[in-house]
Formats: sequence, structure tokens, C-alpha cells
Amino acid sequence: ETGVTQSPTHLIKTRGQQVTLRCSSQSGHNTVSWYQQALGQGPQFIFQYYREEENGRGNFPPRFSGLQFPNYSSELNVNALELDDSALYLCASSPPGGLGGGGTGELFFGEGSRLTVL
Amino acid sequence: QKEVEQNSGPLSVPEGAIASLNCTYSDRVSQSFFWYRQYSGKSPELIMSIYSNGDKEDGRFTAQLNKASQYVSLLIRDSQPSDSATYLCAVILISSGSARQLTFGSGTQLTVLP
Repeated sequence: ETGVTQSPTHLIKTRGQQVTLRCSSQSGHNTVSWYQQALGQGPQFIFQYYREEENGRGNFPPRFSGLQFPNYSSELNVNALELDDSALYLCASSPPGGLGGGGTGELFFGEGSRLTVL
Repeated sequence: QKEVEQNSGPLSVPEGAIASLNCTYSDRVSQSFFWYRQYSGKSPELIMSIYSNGDKEDGRFTAQLNKASQYVSLLIRDSQPSDSATYLCAVILISSGSARQLTFGSGTQLTVLP
């Protein structure tokens, strides 16, 4: 069974640029969540995708956008990068019903993409 | 008020001692609570889940939940240097669009001293 994989693992951008991060969910998992984790902080919820639709969003501006594809893989796009966007971006998948009542609630995380904005 | 708050660290305990980690949450309807462990430079991994009031034990780990006080804790008995990590409390909340999202606290960094 293949776990959650993310790419790239590290990248450096400059202010104003755009970035795309990619995530392949674990086999059989249909929900993908994206988190931003700044140094010394807990993961902050960006948004969640289910059946190729965004079905939940945290307190992030519209320049953070995403996609989910029919194979449940996902992309996170960030436009007009700012210095404060420097962080570890985590993708997590969960199985059908995993976050629902009676589900385990467990998220399976990838190793993350570390973005540095200069 | 933050949705999930953890006691500020860092926390240091000697090897073999009990480490106590605390968390409070703001949403009274939350039903599912989790503790994740995150080693430096790694992604979070689930170590405990709890859904009912009381204690839940798994090896050296005990999670405690008090829904009336909106409080959840994690006890680590016989702490080992390998337990040194950041411990994240997480709660399932209902976000905009009625999605159920896992919301994390800021984490408590634990160091177990040999």
C-alpha cells in the first residue's frame, strides 16, 4: 500500500511568484486536506477536497487555491507569494467516512513540502 | 479564543517520569479528539484517539477526556528519550460548508532527559 506522497520536498521562491504543490493520496482515500505549518506552530487548516470539490476552507485568502483530480490526487496553488507563506505544507488523506461520525478521524500525512519565500 | 489550546512548552521530564500534556477546546459539540506526535522535520502521526469521557489507555499512553470541562490530556508513563517530540492535540470541528475538519493546537514540545 502506497502512502501519501508530496512533491517537491523543498523549494525556494521569491515574493510575487506562484507555486504549485502536488499530493498523491493513499490508496482508497477519497478526501484530501491541506495544512500550512509555520515553524514552531501547529498545522493550520487551509482547505479540504472531496469528490473533486472544495468542501471546507480555513482562514486563508483566495490566492490559496486547489484542485482534486479523479484519481483523488490534489494540487495546492499559491499566487502572489508573500514572505509569511514560508512554511511546511502538509497534505493529508483520509478514507471514505474517515472524518464522519463513527470514523476514526485519522489523517494520513505526507512528509510535506517545505516552501521558502525570499 | 483559539479553537484548540495547549499548555505552553517546552516541557522537560527525566527518563522514567510521567509526562503530562494538556489541551482545551472551544467547540462544545466536538465529539472526536486526537493526539498526534511530530518528530522534528517529520509529519504528524496519530498516537491516540478518544471519543468518550474518561480514560483510554494504550501501552504507556493514557488519554483523558472531560467534555463538561472541554479538556483533554495525554499522560506518558515511563517516559523515554525516544518520546522527545512535539505533541499536537487535534479536534474534529465543522468548518464552513459543513465539512468536518481536523483542527490542531499549537503543540507542546516534550524533551525526555536521559
